[in-house]
Amino acid sequence: KNQVEQSPQSLIILEGKNCTLQCNYTVSPFSNLRWYKQDTGRGPVSLTIMTFSENTKSNGRYTATLDADTKQSSLHITASQLSDSASYICVVSADTNAGKSTFGDGTTLTVKP
Amino acid sequence: DGGITQSPKYLFRKEGQNVTLSCEQNLNHDAMYWYRQDPGQGLRLIYYSQIVNDFQKGDIAEGYSVSREKKESFPLTVTSAQKNPTAFYLCASSQSTSTEGYTFGSGTRLTVV
Repeated sequence: KNQVEQSPQSLIILEGKNCTLQCNYTVSPFSNLRWYKQDTGRGPVSLTIMTFSENTKSNGRYTATLDADTKQSSLHITASQLSDSASYICVVSADTNAGKSTFGDGTTLTVKP
Repeated sequence: DGGITQSPKYLFRKEGQNVTLSCEQNLNHDAMYWYRQDPGQGLRLIYYSQIVNDFQKGDIAEGYSVSREKKESFPLTVTSAQKNPTAFYLCASSQSTSTEGYTFGSGTRLTVV
């Protein structure tokens, strides 16, 4: 069964600090991995998308890495801001058809002043 | 601006009543999806459609129905057969054969009163 596991479940950091969120998956065959940010009560917004051949991708202060051999991805947030407080969701697709996607349960990040 | 619009933002349903959630997109995306999100949990797929007049059940389709009469529209009906409908509902769209991922709406929060 395809699974996506994210850790930690929740995280609290001080403003200005860095943090790293983890995503492990067992989805096969692999097509792409996406990280989304979801603010409370809103829809998720795409941060990064990586295919098999990509092992790192950045979007501002967000940097995602992918190790397709170990089936692990991480999302690193640099110099955190209060607005980074949100849920971060890892989504892995087994096919170019986005309907065959498996969602992680998300990591809830709280940035405190 | 292109996007995906969900309405209403908040919806209250009485016991035994059917309600319909609206989802419209002007992105010219082929595929559309409905997800349910419960507090502290990941997104679960209800239904998805890759083409007009065709749709498939997701993981939790029981008690829900959909239609796809137009490319732009994918309404979700929560029927009285859904015994625990209180949740946050998210609609998304994508190009079926693209790795670009989903564009999500801002969600509808349904509460049974």
